[in-house]
Amino acid sequence: EPEVTQTPSHQVTQMGQEVILRCVPISNHLYFYWYRQILGQKVEFLVSFYNNEISEKSEIFDDQFSVERPDGSNFTLKIRSTKLEDSAMYFCASSEGIIPYEQYFGPGTRLTVT
Amino acid sequence: GEDVEQSLFLSVREGDSSVINCTYTDSSSTYLYWYKQEPGAGLQLLTYIFSNMDMKQDQRLTVLLNKKDKHLSLRIADTQTGDSAIYFCAESKAGNNRKLIWGLGTSLAVNP
Repeated sequence: EPEVTQTPSHQVTQMGQEVILRCVPISNHLYFYWYRQILGQKVEFLVSFYNNEISEKSEIFDDQFSVERPDGSNFTLKIRSTKLEDSAMYFCASSEGIIPYEQYFGPGTRLTVT
Repeated sequence: GEDVEQSLFLSVREGDSSVINCTYTDSSSTYLYWYKQEPGAGLQLLTYIFSNMDMKQDQRLTVLLNKKDKHLSLRIADTQTGDSAIYFCAESKAGNNRKLIWGLGTSLAVNP
């Protein structure tokens, strides 16, 4: 069964460093998403991406964040200068984009900023 | 505004039914979903319901929607120890974005 994959599973970085989180969505899916979950808090939407551009972003997704689909399979989230409060589990999801818009999630990348 | 609320914990005995509840505030929500997260794993889509439906059954899972009260429930029949997990309720609206708005999750503990 096709699945969304994410690498790495755990990333530790120092404050101020750049990180790139990688995702391989399901191959025939057209919509891609990043969400994050800070420990003990709700899962939060960050950004959605369709047709090679951002279709919606949340207030969290400021200039420090960017997304890219560098080739036909990968979808990346870059945080330019990490802060302590960026420590969270980051989930990538993809969707075919047809009703009922089911989003399939990867296992997540745990980002720890020290 | 958009908000989704769930009770945090539920404990049941193996073989009993579990009912996990969720309330949401956005009356324009079109799709409502239940996701399951097992320890150390990602978010697994369990089932969904359209807002114009009252009920949906899928094997041991029954979803009930009371649109007037903005209340959603997930019933798991014959709950097994393998059902122990965190269950998330999420909503989205029609449109190009379809971002999911999430509840905090209900931790289900199944006791033998």
